[in-house]
Amino acid sequence: EIVLTQSPGTLSLSPGERATLSCRASQSVGSNYLAWYQQKSGQAPRLLIHGASYRATGIPDRFSGSGSGTDFTLTISRLEPEDFAVYFCQQYGSSLWTFGQGTKVEI
Amino acid sequence: EVQLVESGGGMVRPGGSLRLSCAASGFTFSTYNMNWVRQAPGKGLEWVSHISDSSSTKYYTDSVKGRFTISRDNAKKSLYLQMNSLRGEDTALYYCAMKDCSSGRCYPTWGQGTLVTVSS
Repeated sequence: EIVLTQSPGTLSLSPGERATLSCRASQSVGSNYLAWYQQKSGQAPRLLIHGASYRATGIPDRFSGSGSGTDFTLTISRLEPEDFAVYFCQQYGSSLWTFGQGTKVEI
Repeated sequence: EVQLVESGGGMVRPGGSLRLSCAASGFTFSTYNMNWVRQAPGKGLEWVSHISDSSSTKYYTDSVKGRFTISRDNAKKSLYLQMNSLRGEDTALYYCAMKDCSSGRCYPTWGQGTLVTVSS
């Protein structure tokens, strides 16, 4: 099983600032099948990034993903008020999918 | 367009059973591996189970082994999760999910979820 570790646990920032979230895998993620999700309270997760760096349909270009192998990053270039939420990473390169524990981006 | 629609959730007492279903449409169901993922209230996301396209391979997270059984009916384009000996910690929103590669790039696709509540 691939263990995903996200850091930091909480990120305290202001609107307009840049957010950098990390997701580290215990072993290489097959085909770089690494996804990032945004989740707000009471809502289903929203897919932001797939394949480590491809934005999902309708996702603003202030969201970008990078990385390969075991180290991945989600960057939000300029935080908008609606971006304050919890972010999860997920690997779907193996049959046993796994998720990170989440990073909360708060004001 | 890929659509996954879960059903079968509800409230059940500890030790009880429940069978979840997922109706698939918009893709060739019989050629895709399928998964169940869950999220307990206020908690993170947890992969629960995987079944291969032909049902030849099945995997489970440790906490449900021996209690949950994943299955599928390719003719009916349906995925199932039989949940027995349910515990409070199984309370969660359960999602049917797949790796959709139909566009040339592969990404996870989920249904809207069905809520399972285990409580006395």
